[in-house]
Amino acid sequence: EADIYQTPRYLVIGTGKKITLECSQTMGHDKMYWYQQDPGMELHLIHYSYGVNSTEKGDLSSESTVSRIRTEHFPLTLESARPSHTSQYLCASSRWTSVVDTQYFGPGTRLTVL
Amino acid sequence: SQKIEQNSEALNIQEGKTATLTCNYTNYSPAYLQWYRQDPGRGPVFLLLIRENEKEKRKERLKVTFDTTLKQSLFHITASQPADSATYLCALHSGNTPLVFGKGTRLSVIA
Repeated sequence: EADIYQTPRYLVIGTGKKITLECSQTMGHDKMYWYQQDPGMELHLIHYSYGVNSTEKGDLSSESTVSRIRTEHFPLTLESARPSHTSQYLCASSRWTSVVDTQYFGPGTRLTVL
Repeated sequence: SQKIEQNSEALNIQEGKTATLTCNYTNYSPAYLQWYRQDPGRGPVFLLLIRENEKEKRKERLKVTFDTTLKQSLFHITASQPADSATYLCALHSGNTPLVFGKGTRLSVIA
């Protein structure tokens, strides 16, 4: 079992609310990622980080933002939630020192915006 | 643009048979190819990795092949069990680029 945690596991929220999805890992990994996945669909990379103070946008355009102030913590924020943001959000991490990008995933946060 | 195709959305097989899943890619020259397992409502779990200069990799009942000429990887589960039922994802990358995941194949092993 990977040491990567996501909270909350489930969130139901109204349109226009600001939300932050939390992701923490205790493996000392430098690389961290956020993916969005709809049921039965592929993973879409929305943000990633290669270390503290490093953040990059992924392939999928997203209205969310991320920060990486500490190695172990990579929160994702939606300033104003909309029903189109309803999805599962998965956080992952991997080692910087390894050329091979084997990723360890958290359990996910299932977000529903009403 | 880079594209990864996994042979079918769903595959049903009888318990005890060998399941074979296919991953094809285009417009890409990956140095590494990985296979992950994902159960409903959970994050993917890494299973196996194979490098571009390797033809085959095994781990217990799992076997992966990688043909860079055909741009294809095959993932085999021998002596399949109902507990092997899940979605299996292939993922590619090279250098320091992030992983690119396929859509996955949902495997159902019927007792």
